[in-house]
Amino acid sequence: QTVVTQEPSLTVSPGGTVTLTCASSTGAVTSDYYLNWFQQKPGQAPRALIYNTDNKHSWTPARFSGSLLGGKAALTLSGVQPEDEADYYCLLYYGAAWVFGGGTKLTVL
Amino acid sequence: QVHLQESGPGLVEPSGTLSLTCAVSGGSISTIAWWTWVRQPPGKGLEWIGEVYHSGSTNYNPSLKSRATISVDKSKSHFSLKLNSVTAADTAVYYCAKFTMATPGLDWGQGTLVTVSS
Repeated sequence: QTVVTQEPSLTVSPGGTVTLTCASSTGAVTSDYYLNWFQQKPGQAPRALIYNTDNKHSWTPARFSGSLLGGKAALTLSGVQPEDEADYYCLLYYGAAWVFGGGTKLTVL
Repeated sequence: QVHLQESGPGLVEPSGTLSLTCAVSGGSISTIAWWTWVRQPPGKGLEWIGEVYHSGSTNYNPSLKSRATISVDKSKSHFSLKLNSVTAADTAVYYCAKFTMATPGLDWGQGTLVTVSS
């Protein structure tokens, strides 16, 4: 059973920078995994933020960026805003199956 | 952007079968996309359940493959999930979503809570 691991929780100050990571139990994450990032706020469905590792959707704020970092997927928020407080999930493709990471609860404090 | 709407019973008895339908509107169900089910137990993370293509081809989460069946009805523009032998661990908000390889999860339903309890 493939496991995708994210930090359970992170805290960042308004205006600060934070990096969320996503690791695969199968080894290094590469662009072959069609990596995606989602944001979810309480009571809402997830919202797509980043697709194919580092591509933003038209609605994704410029302060969000995706990358690969040391064998992991990474989502960096630069200049964090209070409205960025949410749960964040990565999503990887393993050939006929998608796997979500466990999620990171980001607190802006 | 398509509109997705889940429907089905909000309460299922243990050992019974959970049945949900997702209505697709504002676009064709026969487009290049995989119609997907995702669930989220209360206070927990997202879990991909599986997907169906308009041709009827399916893919499933290995951990649920033996209990889950996803099907599509093009004439009604909807797709469905059946999950049998349910337990309390299957209590979750169930979402339907449109996935493509390039941009999975662009469109989601609002989600529906299904509780497994007697």
